[in-house]
Amino acid sequence: GAVVSQHPSRVICKSGTSVKIECRSLDFQATTMFWYRQFPKKSLMLMATSNEGSKATYEQGVEKDKFLINHASLTLSTLTVTSAHPEDSSFYICSARPDGETQYFGPGTRLLVL
Amino acid sequence: QQQVKQSPQSLIVQKGGISIINCAYENTAFDYFPWYQQFPGKGPALLIAIRPDVSEKKEGRFTISFNKSAKQFSLHIMDSQPGDSATYFCAASSSSGGSNYKLTFGKGTLLTVNP
Repeated sequence: GAVVSQHPSRVICKSGTSVKIECRSLDFQATTMFWYRQFPKKSLMLMATSNEGSKATYEQGVEKDKFLINHASLTLSTLTVTSAHPEDSSFYICSARPDGETQYFGPGTRLLVL
Repeated sequence: QQQVKQSPQSLIVQKGGISIINCAYENTAFDYFPWYQQFPGKGPALLIAIRPDVSEKKEGRFTISFNKSAKQFSLHIMDSQPGDSATYFCAASSSSGGSNYKLTFGKGTLLTVNP
């Protein structure tokens, strides 16, 4: 149980285009979903927290117009990187929290912007 | 400032040995302390977690020791195996203040278990 999927697993796009990443909780309803960014050999950096039906709460320094988050249902959240640039290339990971404090992570999405 | 300090940054252990990773926190509001294991190119996987009302929790070869007064907790991997080679992250969260249980992560420890 407690499986979280992400799609796509990797994506390559041209600079200036937008990319959407989906995060789904497969066997539970997620009260809260989180989006993280991870640079090579570094820790996870929380970008934003989203609750179903509410606007996402972004961490300081994260551009909300750049990283659009939509938590459309209790099992789906999407992250859209708008007008992507090479510096947005990274490993994006989502997590989902059913209830209580435990977070379950997705497998991550590798984004490469050319 | 909410911080979780993790050490060592990297660790090399022989097969069958004990791996020990330490973390210290500052925020006394933290009340949940999980450890995650991450393999290259994969998302973190929950290993084991502890709450401050317990001083130790064991699951198989993995044990968390928790010292509330010192604000420290550690992960012990007994009989370490080459398959345990991965990056380990400690984390902490608080149930108070409408935080949504946001996790604060340590910087990670790269564990290498030599055969």
